[in-house]
Amino acid sequence: DTEVTQTPKHLVMGMTNKKSLKCEQHMGHRAMYWYKQKAKKPPELMFVYSYEKLSINESVPSRFSPECPNSSLLNLHLHALQPEDSALYLCASSQLGQGDEKLFFGSGTQLSVL
Amino acid sequence: RKEVEQDPGPFNVPEGATVAFNCTYSNSASQSFFWYRQDCRKEPKLLMSVYSSGNEDGRFTAQLNRASQYISLLIRDSKLSDSATYLCVVNSRAGNMLTFGGGTRLMVKP
Repeated sequence: DTEVTQTPKHLVMGMTNKKSLKCEQHMGHRAMYWYKQKAKKPPELMFVYSYEKLSINESVPSRFSPECPNSSLLNLHLHALQPEDSALYLCASSQLGQGDEKLFFGSGTQLSVL
Repeated sequence: RKEVEQDPGPFNVPEGATVAFNCTYSNSASQSFFWYRQDCRKEPKLLMSVYSSGNEDGRFTAQLNRASQYISLLIRDSKLSDSATYLCVVNSRAGNMLTFGGGTRLMVKP
């Protein structure tokens, strides 16, 4: 069982909707991540939070808005998405520090944008 | 050249076979290396870290070759349940940044 919990597991939304993906971890990790994964492709990094501060934004469109309310929680707010944004969205966490950065993934949210 | 490269496969092998995957990386300063396994429509799960001296976990052996900048994963006595995509992951960039290879698909057949 994963120690990173993501909700919802599945989400269908229209292009005008606003929705949020949620992620929680209780492993004391100080880095949290959002990845996007299309079928038959590897995960693509979207955002990294280190010590609850956004440290990396991989040029993600503003229709994706991350939020880190505290060290255990990570949200991804979605607004005005496009059909090509349909994908598996994975949250992950890790320790900070070289050699400790192995990622622990949540089970993902399968997002469909209609 | 991609930062982390893998042969996409698929590798089709019979049960009981030994199979090996390689993964090359471009940044000679990389220090951390991992193999992840991903089943269809599931999240990637850490299979094993790769250490300089090589390491083994049951039927799985991982090796690191710094001179040639590649890591390998050897699976002995393949099981049907080993069928999955194997992702090579390297910290090829500064900070807590891991780069994924494209994955190698393994299919073990009866």
